Amino acid sequence: NAGVTQTPKFRILKIGQSMTLQCAQDMNHNYMYWYRQDPGMGLKLIYYSVGAGITDKGEVPNGYNVSRSTTEDFPLRLELAAPSQTSVYFCASSYDGHYGYTFGSGTRLTVV
Amino acid sequence: DQQVKQNSPSLSVQEGRISILNCDYTNSMFDYFLWYKKYPAEGPTFLISISSIKDKNEDGRFTVFLNKSAKHLSLHIVPSQPGDSAVYFCAARPHGSSNTGKLIFGQGTTLQVKP
Repeated sequence: NAGVTQTPKFRILKIGQSMTLQCAQDMNHNYMYWYRQDPGMGLKLIYYSVGAGITDKGEVPNGYNVSRSTTEDFPLRLELAAPSQTSVYFCASSYDGHYGYTFGSGTRLTVV
Repeated sequence: DQQVKQNSPSLSVQEGRISILNCDYTNSMFDYFLWYKKYPAEGPTFLISISSIKDKNEDGRFTVFLNKSAKHLSLHIVPSQPGDSAVYFCAARPHGSSNTGKLIFGQGTTLQVKP
């Protein structure tokens, strides 16, 4: 049982480049989330999904996009990367949204 | 504005003693509170939670206390062990978010337990 798998673990992007952060879970969880963590700050919600085909914006969605075509996968797309997007990105899932999340191990992204 | 605040960036305690991690929230519109623990290079892991209708929840060495009048949440670890050394995040679920599971996180407190 792998839980929540995020790839890649590390990435360096140049300003203006694009990339997709991958997130997959094998627990048949309906709810999935993308958070970012900046130094000294709490985790901020970027986007979330309550089921396949349903996504919604969180607190800090600008510069990002998501899709949820299957229950298992919830990729996060960065278009036109900016230095402000340098952060650690965490994907998480939850069965019904009521209790604690299961987090992935994170993707550390640096935009230079 | 930070709705969930952990005002102590770090805490150091001796092995075997009690660790108390604190969290304050700025409005009463939360119905569920959680604590997560995070080791370096790993994602946070769920530790313990409490509903807003309760004032205490206990799980082994971990106890969470909720003081609604003071808008204050605390996590007690007794006895503290070196393996408890990690970053601890408190999180709160806004009213009306039970169908989405969205959480608001504090900044985190780094706990160091010295042998």
